[in-house]
Amino acid sequence: GQQVMQIPQYQHVQEGEDFTTYCNSSTTLSNIQWYKQRPGGHPVFLIQLVKSGEVKKQKRLTFQFGEAKKNSSLHITATQTTDVGTYFCAGKGAGSYQLTFGKGTKLSVIP
Amino acid sequence: DTAVSQTPKYLVTQMGNDKSIKCEQNLGHDTMYWYKQDSKKFLKIMFSYNNKELIINETVPNRFSPKSPDKAHLNLHINSLELGDSAVYFCASSQDRYNYGYTFGSGTRLTVV
Repeated sequence: GQQVMQIPQYQHVQEGEDFTTYCNSSTTLSNIQWYKQRPGGHPVFLIQLVKSGEVKKQKRLTFQFGEAKKNSSLHITATQTTDVGTYFCAGKGAGSYQLTFGKGTKLSVIP
Repeated sequence: DTAVSQTPKYLVTQMGNDKSIKCEQNLGHDTMYWYKQDSKKFLKIMFSYNNKELIINETVPNRFSPKSPDKAHLNLHINSLELGDSAVYFCASSQDRYNYGYTFGSGTRLTVV
């Protein structure tokens, strides 16, 4: 079945440093989505990427979808303590209804 | 108004009991889901319904049975609870089954003792 690998599992950064999490799929994806889960909270949808090579920005967050539609990344510039949480990528295979989540990257920000 | 609401928020029960978790969405979405998040935070799909029709039925013990009386509701019934069932169960919905982000409920933390 489809697998979505996400690295790193944990990342500790000093406030103001940048952060990147990477996502790789074993199969070509029709779309990839990113979610944020705060400690004790539920996953919250951030964005969806559909097109090959697509880049989208949300303030300090930059999302990329690879040319082959098998990998993606989320980059946060100048992290803040409000960025703390677990970031999940989730991919949907071509023709599939199923959204498969990566294992997430837990971000800690040291003030 | 809460978009996707789950009840109860916490559930502590003994092994062998039967319990249900309810989920309702007021977004007018066609598709609803049940996900299980284990202690390592891994989110695994269990079931999905589209307009009351079961479209995803992952390999879960048949002690778990979903029911969707209408497209706004998706309930999860669990028979003969086991210690390994302890987890957070999230309900979610999306506009349709294809290309939309999911809205998650706040989760039900199930503890089996």
